[in-house]
Amino acid sequence: DTGVSQNPRHKITKRGQNVTFRCDPISEHNRLYWYRQTLGQGPEFLTYFQNEAQLEKSRLLSDRFSAERPKGSFSTLEIQRTEQGDSAMYLCASSSSGLAGPSHEQFFGPGTRLTVL
Amino acid sequence: SQQGEEDPQALSIQEGENATMNCSYKTSINNLQWYRQNSGRGLVHLILIRSNEREKHSGRLRVTLDTSKKSSSLLITASRAADTASYFCAVNYGGSQGNLIFGKGTKLSVKP
Repeated sequence: DTGVSQNPRHKITKRGQNVTFRCDPISEHNRLYWYRQTLGQGPEFLTYFQNEAQLEKSRLLSDRFSAERPKGSFSTLEIQRTEQGDSAMYLCASSSSGLAGPSHEQFFGPGTRLTVL
Repeated sequence: SQQGEEDPQALSIQEGENATMNCSYKTSINNLQWYRQNSGRGLVHLILIRSNEREKHSGRLRVTLDTSKKSSSLLITASRAADTASYFCAVNYGGSQGNLIFGKGTKLSVKP
């Protein structure tokens, strides 16, 4: 399967613990996005990478959140000192910006559902 | 908020009927996209319409864009039970980043 994959699919943690999620984009895609989705809402943009560079961060991304994309391949999203309000589905998406220009279609992974007790 | 807003929030129809969902946004866009999400799963891209386009088709899907009214509609013809899902519009306001601003979605239920 060459789609976007995310691990783990589900994570239950206690308040105050740190968690880390991983996203593996489609291999030829150089753009990677993280979104957060709460129940009954649409996804909210968190951050964006082009290759290994983190080019944009939403104000939703507090200082407890950090994202990396070493070597421009997979990405990790870490949440430190989790709070109950962090409970949500965390979605990763990728897209390409080739010689023909950026493809604005984004391909989403299945998401990681985080529950903070 | 600059997010797209879908209307209605929920829609229930019988199999074979057409389903129409609307989306409004607030400022000029580069493109508008529609996505489908089955319960608890990731989003699937359906169709993208650029700001200089007025209508696009893909199979049983028809999307229109009215930039003067800052609105778009998604029509699903001859609906099937498998079309049951949440449908989101997402706007791209341009720039090189390409991040999307999503609405809250329309929950479509197609009864067999």
